[in-house]
Amino acid sequence: AQSVTQLGSHVSVSEGALVLLRCNYSSSVPPYLFWYVQYPNQGLQLLLKYTTGATLVKGINGFEAEFKKSETSFHLTKPSAHMSDAAEYFCAVTIGGATNKLIFGTGTLLAVQP
Amino acid sequence: EAQVTQNPRYLITVTGKKLTVTCSQNMNHEYMSWYRQDPGLGLRQIYYSMNVEVTDKGDVPEGYKVSRKEKRNFPLILESPSPNQTSLYFCASHPLGGSDTQYFGPGTRLTVL
Repeated sequence: AQSVTQLGSHVSVSEGALVLLRCNYSSSVPPYLFWYVQYPNQGLQLLLKYTTGATLVKGINGFEAEFKKSETSFHLTKPSAHMSDAAEYFCAVTIGGATNKLIFGTGTLLAVQP
Repeated sequence: EAQVTQNPRYLITVTGKKLTVTCSQNMNHEYMSWYRQDPGLGLRQIYYSMNVEVTDKGDVPEGYKVSRKEKRNFPLILESPSPNQTSLYFCASHPLGGSDTQYFGPGTRLTVL
């Protein structure tokens, strides 16, 4: 069965600093991996996804993530945090197929300090 | 504009009073699902539907019902709400296919007193 672990329920960075949000997954078959962002009082928006091919995936707002099969990780990074990045971030995995259920991590709340 | 809509956005109700949260998508997606979001637990799938008249249970289906009579609509029904169903609910849709992005509605914040 698949599962997702996000290390750190709260992460705080200074504006301009590197953002690193960790995600590890468990899956018996090659997974599809997603990062979603949730701004306050809003729904979930896709940041980026990995399906096949290039393991370094670039998303919106300057975020990127690297699929590392040997480490079963899909960490999200951004070189320089902006105040507008403050939000909750969810990593999710699916093995696709007919049901295509997304399995979510518990989320990481990112705070950006001025 | 491609979107998933939910109504109502906010709802306060009392234990036992039946309610329905509507969900509609305009992208002709086959797959629709409902999730609930609770602090520290992330999002968990309640029910999903792969097409009209095809629904199945997700991870936390107890206390909920759904129907899929039309492709665009997927209402969530709470026949007898209880306080443990106080949560933030999201509807999502996407075409069939494991790599496809799921599109989420804006959420419905439900409080059951």
